[in-house]
Amino acid sequence: GAGVSQSPSNKVTEKGKDVELRCDPISGHTALYWYRQSLGQGLEFLIYFQGNSAPDKSGLPSDRFSAERTGGSVSTLTIQRTQQEDSAVYLCASSLGGAHQETQYFGPGTRLLVL
Amino acid sequence: KNQVEQSPQSLIILEGKNCTLQCNYTVSPFSNLRWYKQDTGRGPVSLTIMTFSENTKSNGRYTATLDADTKQSSLHITASQLSDSASYICVVTSGGYNKLIFGAGTRLAVHP
Repeated sequence: GAGVSQSPSNKVTEKGKDVELRCDPISGHTALYWYRQSLGQGLEFLIYFQGNSAPDKSGLPSDRFSAERTGGSVSTLTIQRTQQEDSAVYLCASSLGGAHQETQYFGPGTRLLVL
Repeated sequence: KNQVEQSPQSLIILEGKNCTLQCNYTVSPFSNLRWYKQDTGRGPVSLTIMTFSENTKSNGRYTATLDADTKQSSLHITASQLSDSASYICVVTSGGYNKLIFGAGTRLAVHP
C-alpha cells in the first residue's frame, strides 16, 4: 500500500511569510509525528498525535509553530512569520498505535528554505 | 544530557567491502535502540530495533550489535553494494514515544 506522503516536496519562502506543510499518513495508522532535520543535525521531535487524544506539542520550538490533524488522518504543520532559522527538512512519520517500540514510517520530507 | 553520537561522520568504501558504523549514547532511561537508513531526499527507513536484552540483530547484510553496559552500538554492513550509499542514523528511545534521541548520522558512500 501507499506509504507516508508529504507535500510540497520543496518550499521556498520569504522571511515573514506563513507556510503550511501537509502530511498524509499510512491508512489505519493512529499515531502521527512531525520532526525537523536541520543540516548536519539529528532529527528533532516537534509534535505527536495519537487518535483523538490531545497532541503532545512539547517539541514545538516557538508559538509560531502549530499543527492540526483533521479526522484522525491528514495533518498540517503551519509555521507563521517564518525565520531563516526555520530552514530545514520537515519529516512526518506514522505508526500503527503509537507505542514506543513500534516502527515509525517516514515520509520523504518537505525541504523548506526561508530567504 | 541525553545524547547520541555517531562515528565516523562520513565514510567512503569500495563496493564489496565491509564496514562498521559506531553509535555511543548517554540516554537514560533506555528503552530501545534503532538504526535507520536514509537515502538522499527520502525519509528514514528502519533497519533494526534492539531492546536492552538483545545483543545482536540482523537484517540481511546489516547486523547491529548492542552493548548496554558500555552504551555502545554498531552497525556492520557486509559485502557493500552501491545501493548502500546513504546516511545511517542511530536512534535511542528513552521511555515514551516522544523521547526519541537521534544521532546526526554517518554518511556512507560506496564506490565501484
